[in-house]
Amino acid sequence: EIVMTQTPLSLPVTPGEPASISCRSSQSLVDSDDGSTYLDWYLQKPGQSPQLLIYALSYRASGVPDRFSGSGSGTDFTLKIARVEAEDIGVYYCMQRVEFPITFGQGTRLEIK
Amino acid sequence: EVHLVESGGDLVQPGGSLRLSCAASGYGFSNYAVIWVRQAPGKGLEWISYISSGGLNKLYAESVKGRFTLSRDNAKNSLYLQMNSLTAADTAIYYCVSSDDYGRYDSWGQGALVTVSS
Repeated sequence: EIVMTQTPLSLPVTPGEPASISCRSSQSLVDSDDGSTYLDWYLQKPGQSPQLLIYALSYRASGVPDRFSGSGSGTDFTLKIARVEAEDIGVYYCMQRVEFPITFGQGTRLEIK
Repeated sequence: EVHLVESGGDLVQPGGSLRLSCAASGYGFSNYAVIWVRQAPGKGLEWISYISSGGLNKLYAESVKGRFTLSRDNAKNSLYLQMNSLTAADTAIYYCVSSDDYGRYDSWGQGALVTVSS
């Protein structure tokens, strides 16, 4: 199975400052059939179900503010928040769906300083 | 967009069985694949099962293979996760998650809590 490794696991951030979360996969997430990179990012706010932020590497899901962006290639990926707001707190997960079993990173807990 | 509601979570003894249901509302549920993801208390997310839109293709994580069975009834806009031989390691919140036209898993239920304990 593809192992997903996130860093850091905890991320204290001052509101208004940028934040960055890294995710690395043990093998390429590029689909050999269509060339897409099937790496998604989710945010689980306290007491809620996870919500999709970014799909297929860099596409923002509906309603997601443009301060969130996804980038990367092959096996190294990054989620960036341009200016952190208080409502962004929670645990961020990367997930690969290029093959089964679908696997998640361990999660990165973003907290406000 | 599909709206999902899980039910059936409960306290069950080790070795016992439980069936979770996932009821869907909204357009096109029968067109979409669905996965189940669970989250043990204080832990991360774990994919456990997949079912295709028509219900013919099913996949399971090694941790539940042979014990869990996923089915769906598109006429009733519902899915069912039959869980047998439960152990404490199965204690978790179970989420059903629907895909969409682009294969994104973007519709999550609120989760159903399963507690396995004597």
